Amino acid sequence: RKEVEQDPGPFNVPEGATVAFNCTYSNSASQSFFWYRQDCRKEPKLLMSVYSSGNEDGRFTAQLNRASQYISLLIRDSKLSDSATYLCVVNGQGGNNRLAFGKGNQVVVIP
Amino acid sequence: DAGVIQSPRHEVTEMGQEVTLRCKPISGHNSLFWYRQTMMRGLELLIYFNNNVPIDDSGMPEDRFSAKMPNASFSTLKIQPSEPRDSAVYFCASSLDRNNSPLHFGNGTRLTVT
Repeated sequence: RKEVEQDPGPFNVPEGATVAFNCTYSNSASQSFFWYRQDCRKEPKLLMSVYSSGNEDGRFTAQLNRASQYISLLIRDSKLSDSATYLCVVNGQGGNNRLAFGKGNQVVVIP
Repeated sequence: DAGVIQSPRHEVTEMGQEVTLRCKPISGHNSLFWYRQTMMRGLELLIYFNNNVPIDDSGMPEDRFSAKMPNASFSTLKIQPSEPRDSAVYFCASSLDRNNSPLHFGNGTRLTVT
């Protein structure tokens, strides 16, 4: 089983709609969880950390489900500028510093 | 804050040549990571350093790859000899060595080996 798994999509989303996707992880001992955003031909950038109680940052909401070992990202009121690949990141086997990246969920917001 | 600085941005070389990628982490960050990204395999961790010491190099593909971190502000990733299958984007990232500390990535080096 891969350390972090994501459905690559693409997720085609009408502008203004809501989109949500999950990411599953294999290491039940993981303690650090993040969502990163990567634009085409750019480096990944931190979107938000994911906390146990769930957290919001504007139109973005992240949730953690430890029992089922997945994290989720929800984007409300999608903007054209939200088109990107969203990478799920979890500290995997080997300790805190060894972050494992999923292959990403590609989101395309359509006018 | 200048962020993580990588050079060169693009590298095109012929098979068999030596390639050296360079990275300057964010000042004060004591963990440094080298990643490789391809369409097929996504982001793969090659090696990471903590306080300039290599901690985990299990992701280094083979002996042709080597990485050094002679001081807290500089690291290199070397491929010798290079092969076409090494073509990828190589990212350097740095972070603080503490729980929940996120990675900060450089712009990456796009390597093409012909």
